[in-house]
Amino acid sequence: QITLKESGPTLVKPTQTLTLTCTFSGFSLSTSGVGVGWIRQPPGKALEWLALIYWNDDKRYSPSLKSRLTITKDTSKNQVVLTMTNMDPVDTATYYCARSDTIFGVAEYYFDYWGQGTLVTVSS
Amino acid sequence: QSALTQPASVSGSPGQSITISCTGTSSDVGGYNYVSWYQQHPGKAPKLMIYDVSKRPSGVSNRFSGSKSGNTASLTISGLQAEDEADYYCSSYTSSSTWVFGGGTKLTVL
Repeated sequence: QITLKESGPTLVKPTQTLTLTCTFSGFSLSTSGVGVGWIRQPPGKALEWLALIYWNDDKRYSPSLKSRLTITKDTSKNQVVLTMTNMDPVDTATYYCARSDTIFGVAEYYFDYWGQGTLVTVSS
Repeated sequence: QSALTQPASVSGSPGQSITISCTGTSSDVGGYNYVSWYQQHPGKAPKLMIYDVSKRPSGVSNRFSGSKSGNTASLTISGLQAEDEADYYCSSYTSSSTWVFGGGTKLTVL
């Protein structure tokens, strides 16, 4: 059974750095082709892709947020961490982590399992 | 990269078919067969419904189908049921090796 769960602060102040952790089970980030990504959704708005890290430590970032994002993994702990600097009220959103699948060791380009999401509010 | 363009809302009666469009560019939808569709009920996480333009994950009803022509992908739901009422998002891999989502479509079952 594959599960992912996001954790982190529910409230951050403007200009602070947000650190979110995705803890997963049922698959390994050492498996060729597997990736874990982050997607966010402001209240009442659309999904926005943020970042993804592959089994081989290849990292991808949203061009519009690249300067503020860092994604890392701890394979032994089955965790992926996303940091976002200089938080602003417009960053208030539910943040999801999701798995990117692999078929025969080749990365796929969709997200098949998602966490429940964690709501982060940015306010002073 | 700009969000993919979807209609804000669509509606249909039970038993009918509806189609949701997703328009991008040659750098995303038109350039790759890596379009996926997600269903999201209020307060819930998105659920993968279609991947690689037209493939269905195990467990997804065959009432859901996907297609693509040029820079526009489409999701068709046939035999509409009340439980299909949800928000639907398309997504595509891009030439920048990133992903982009659509603005979402609210499906109302009348």
